Amino acid sequence: GAGVSQSPSNKVTEKGKDVELRCDPISGHTALYWYRQSLGQGLEFLIYFQGNSAPDKSGLPSDRFSAERTGGSVSTLTIQRTQQEDSAVYLCASSPQTGERAQHFGDGTRLSIL
Amino acid sequence: SQKIEQNSEALNIQEGKTATLTCNYTNYSPAYLQWYRQDPGRGPVFLLLIRENEKEKRKERLKVTFDTTLKQSLFHITASQPADSATYLCALASYNTDKLIFGTGTRLQVFP
Repeated sequence: GAGVSQSPSNKVTEKGKDVELRCDPISGHTALYWYRQSLGQGLEFLIYFQGNSAPDKSGLPSDRFSAERTGGSVSTLTIQRTQQEDSAVYLCASSPQTGERAQHFGDGTRLSIL
Repeated sequence: SQKIEQNSEALNIQEGKTATLTCNYTNYSPAYLQWYRQDPGRGPVFLLLIRENEKEKRKERLKVTFDTTLKQSLFHITASQPADSATYLCALASYNTDKLIFGTGTRLQVFP
């Protein structure tokens, strides 16, 4: 089957605009993760959804960031009033169930804030 | 604060040699550790997982060790090939969560 799909692959927007990034996880995967990767840096955890449990939002850098996961499948990461420091690659991953599971990553959305 | 360190300098080795990458951590008690490979412009790809009660794990040309006393994991690629050139990331997870904390990665370059 298909892997994790993210869209758009690239997004350029002006400072102050809102953006929405989409993630389609692998079918049947109950866990979904969002990460951010700045140039030359490692992955920074943002948020984690697991089934019907309340999401772990501990990595969101500010209240301008939010995410939702509808129907236990597709997820949207929203950044409001974008700032230049939000420029990065936003990566989504999914995994089946929980517990020591390999995470399957999409190729990310490259976000550039002008 | 919790910290995961990987050698930020690129590792350059000759084809056929063994590449060894290091992952050190502080202020952390991981339940397990994972290694990922990342190619430019792509998302990371899972390679190996090792639990805190395991010393070593192998998969084909890959070997991972985990020393919870030294707070260190070593990642070995034997008989390295130019196709192994990529950035390798280590990631740790605590008990009761699947949230991974990643190191910054080490870039490996294997030349013919």
